[in-house]
Amino acid sequence: AQKVTQAQTEISVVEKEDVTLDCVYETRDTTYYLFWYKQPPSGELVFLIRRNSFDEQNEISGRYSWNFQKSTSSFNFTITASQVVDSAVYFCALPSGTYKYIFGTGTRLKVLA
Amino acid sequence: GAVVSQHPSWVICKSGTSVKIECRSLDFQATTMFWYRQFPKQSLMLMATSNEGSKATYEQGVEKDKFLINHASLTLSTLTVTSAHPEDSSFYICSADTGVNTEAFFGQGTRLTVV
Repeated sequence: AQKVTQAQTEISVVEKEDVTLDCVYETRDTTYYLFWYKQPPSGELVFLIRRNSFDEQNEISGRYSWNFQKSTSSFNFTITASQVVDSAVYFCALPSGTYKYIFGTGTRLKVLA
Repeated sequence: GAVVSQHPSWVICKSGTSVKIECRSLDFQATTMFWYRQFPKQSLMLMATSNEGSKATYEQGVEKDKFLINHASLTLSTLTVTSAHPEDSSFYICSADTGVNTEAFFGQGTRLTVV
């Protein structure tokens, strides 16, 4: 069965600190995608990244970086030099089928000024 | 990227009434759309898969007679919460299949409050 675990329910950091959000997944598929979404207080889901299971290279986009480790079934997300605007709930997701998403329980990030 | 529009953004209704939520794909055709529900401080849970021209497929535990889904065209799926009760108060969000293997595109969500 598909499953996504985000063990960190809530994290609080002070602005400019680095923070890593953990995501561990389970799947029987040999090929799959993994996603991270940001959900600000307004509620909409903001797409952050899609990663193919064949590509284990780490990815960096500005202050965001992702570490995909297939051997440990983890897809962790790091925000460098966090800012107050980063405060949101972050979801890791694994599609079951092509577009039917299984979401983790989310990690609420609070960045304090 | 593809745009999915959801309407209304928020709605307050009286207990016992029905409310309809629309999900539109604005610049592409979507044969399949998905409806999710999110209770406060919880994750998004898939409710149903909406298929154009056929019956929706509901996830286990979701009452199909209570949550009516109609996917009458390739750009519109509607979710009607019938005989709403306060426990139906939640955030409902849809997503659409673009037919291309990229990320799913989500609507902005609808916050339903039943009083």
